[in-house]
Amino acid sequence: AQRVTQPEKLLSVFKGAPVELKCNYSYSGSPELFWYVQYSRQRLQLLLRHISRESIKGFTADLNKGETSFHLKKPFAQEEDSAMYYCALITDSWGKLQFGAGTQVVVTP
Amino acid sequence: ETGVTQSPTHLIKTRGQQVTLRCSSQSGHNTVSWYQQALGQGPQFIFQYYREEENGRGNFPPRFSGLQFPNYSSELNVNALELDDSALYLCASRPGLAGKDGSSEQYFGPGTRLTVT
Repeated sequence: AQRVTQPEKLLSVFKGAPVELKCNYSYSGSPELFWYVQYSRQRLQLLLRHISRESIKGFTADLNKGETSFHLKKPFAQEEDSAMYYCALITDSWGKLQFGAGTQVVVTP
Repeated sequence: ETGVTQSPTHLIKTRGQQVTLRCSSQSGHNTVSWYQQALGQGPQFIFQYYREEENGRGNFPPRFSGLQFPNYSSELNVNALELDDSALYLCASRPGLAGKDGSSEQYFGPGTRLTVT
């Protein structure tokens, strides 16, 4: 069975401090991994995916197959980064998303 | 370009009743997925429709059923409602199946909040 684990329910950081959201997955093959974000009163939306290897809003995420992790990082958090973040993976050809429980990020000035 | 829309926004039902939730996919998208998000949890995959046929189902009982119409809009039906069915129901669409003729990125609707009393 595949599973996504986000160990932190809440991360509180100060503006300008680095932030790292942890995501670990269990899957023996090659998954497709994503980070989705939900800002207050907005719908769930894609932040970034590992195959793109891009930086979005200053966030990056590196797939570590050895550690089966896909941690999300940003060197300098901003107040507008306050949101709920979900790690998700796809392991089948249907494109079924499997989500973690989510991490609430609060950035305080 | 119109995004994914869902109706109703919220509703309250009594245990044992039946409910139908509706979703209009984003223009050009022929794949629709439904997710259940309980309070404090991530979304859980219910099922997916591609060109009017169900082609994937999560760990949900048969009383959860769905339809996709020729215009690619979709319905989620839940029979014999239970208290644990109280959740936010999300619809997501994308153009085609992941890895085939479409993108794996899914575009989510705002959700329908269902409360079962």
